[in-house]
Amino acid sequence: AQSVSQHNHHVILSEAASLELGCNYSYGGTVNLFWYVQYPGQHLQLLLKYFSGDPLVKGIKGFEAEFIKSKFSFNLRKPSVQWSDTAEYFCAVNAHNDYKLSFGAGTTVTVRA
Amino acid sequence: EAQVTQNPRYLITVTGKKLTVTCSQNMNHEYMSWYRQDPGLGLRQIYYSMNVEVTDKGDVPEGYKVSRKEKRNFPLILESPSPNQTSLYFCASKFLVNTEAFFGQGTRLTVV
Repeated sequence: AQSVSQHNHHVILSEAASLELGCNYSYGGTVNLFWYVQYPGQHLQLLLKYFSGDPLVKGIKGFEAEFIKSKFSFNLRKPSVQWSDTAEYFCAVNAHNDYKLSFGAGTTVTVRA
Repeated sequence: EAQVTQNPRYLITVTGKKLTVTCSQNMNHEYMSWYRQDPGLGLRQIYYSMNVEVTDKGDVPEGYKVSRKEKRNFPLILESPSPNQTSLYFCASKFLVNTEAFFGQGTRLTVV
């Protein structure tokens, strides 16, 4: 079974700062990778996804993530954050052709105006 | 509008009083699942269903039941709730195994 690690529990930034959130998973086979965002009081929304192809994936709201297979990583980045990016971010992984989706513990991002 | 709908959004109940949280999706998805979200633990899967009448346990199934009599509905049943089941619950669905999951709005359950 796969497990997912998110290295940062809480990140505090100022507006316009760059953001990078780490995500590592443990599974040796082919995986599908996701980043979800949860704004305060809301449900999870998909930010971006990777199934195959170009390891640099662009998502909504200016977010991108890079899949590095050799490092079992799928880090999320945004060059310049806004106050509205304050949210909790979850990395999720499922093995290819496996319905089970495993989540990391989440990273709370607070952006100060 | 394509969506996953959960009801109720908020629920306060007492220990031992049976309750059901409903989940319905209008996207004709075959796969549905339930998660609970607790601080510092992320989302943990409770049960999942790959199709009508096909369900299986996730990582934390103790104290929960599910049923899948229709494709669109996947209710979560707590026969005898206990305070350690106080949590935020999410239902999710996906079309195929290698696609993204869509989540409901969540149900915040408090068991006193």
